[in-house]
Amino acid sequence: GQQLNQSPQSMFIQEGEDVSMNCTSSSIFNTWLWYKQDPGEGPVLLIALYKAGELTSNGRLTAQFGITRKDSFLNISASIPSDVGIYFCAGLKTNFGNEKLTFGTGTRLTIIP
Amino acid sequence: DGGITQSPKYLFRKEGQNVTLSCEQNLNHDAMYWYRQDPGQGLRLIYYSQIVNDFQKGDIAEGYSVSREKKESFPLTVTSAQKNPTAFYLCASSIVLRSDNEQFFGPGTRLTVL
Repeated sequence: GQQLNQSPQSMFIQEGEDVSMNCTSSSIFNTWLWYKQDPGEGPVLLIALYKAGELTSNGRLTAQFGITRKDSFLNISASIPSDVGIYFCAGLKTNFGNEKLTFGTGTRLTIIP
Repeated sequence: DGGITQSPKYLFRKEGQNVTLSCEQNLNHDAMYWYRQDPGQGLRLIYYSQIVNDFQKGDIAEGYSVSREKKESFPLTVTSAQKNPTAFYLCASSIVLRSDNEQFFGPGTRLTVL
C-alpha cells in the first residue's frame, strides 16, 4: 500500500528552536491529519485540515493544507521537551464507503539538551 | 470517559500459537481499524470495518483475521500463518460518511512472539 513521503525522517534540535516538517504525495487528498506518537503509545491527533490552502493553528503548532492538495506542512514554534516524539501525517481521500487513511513514514523529533 | 481501550498492553506468545488482541470503543464510532507498526516505521493497515458484521482487508491482511459482531468491539487474531507477528498493534476508530472523520487511536498492544 501507498505511504506518504514525509521529511525529514529525523530532526535533532535545541529547546526553543522552531521545527518544520512536510508530507508529499503523488495523488490528491481531501483531508490531511497530523498525529504525534509518544514511545509505546498510540498516535494522538494534533491538527486536521479539510480545505486546500487552509492554515490551522493549535497552540504552538501550525499546519497547512497545500494548494495542490498533494502536500501538507507542520510547524512547531519554540520547541519544548514534551514535543519529543514521532510526528505522522495522514491523508484521506474521502471515498464514501472506502474510508482509509494513508500514513506518512514519520518524523522523529529529538531535543538536544 | 469516552475512548478506545486495547488490552493487554504487552503480550507474549510462543511461535505457532494464535493470539487475539482486544479493541473496544465507547465513542459510538461506526468504523474501526487495525494497524501494525514496526520499529522506525509508519502504520500499515491490516483490516478495517465500517459497519457491524462487515470488514475489509487492508494492505497487509495475510495471517490475520477479525470479527465485528458488535459496534464497540473489533478483535484481531494473529494466526500462526503470520510469518513475522512481533510488532506494535494499534486499533483506531472513526465516524464515517462525514468530512471530519478523523481516526482516534487506542494505546496499542505490543506483541512479542518467542
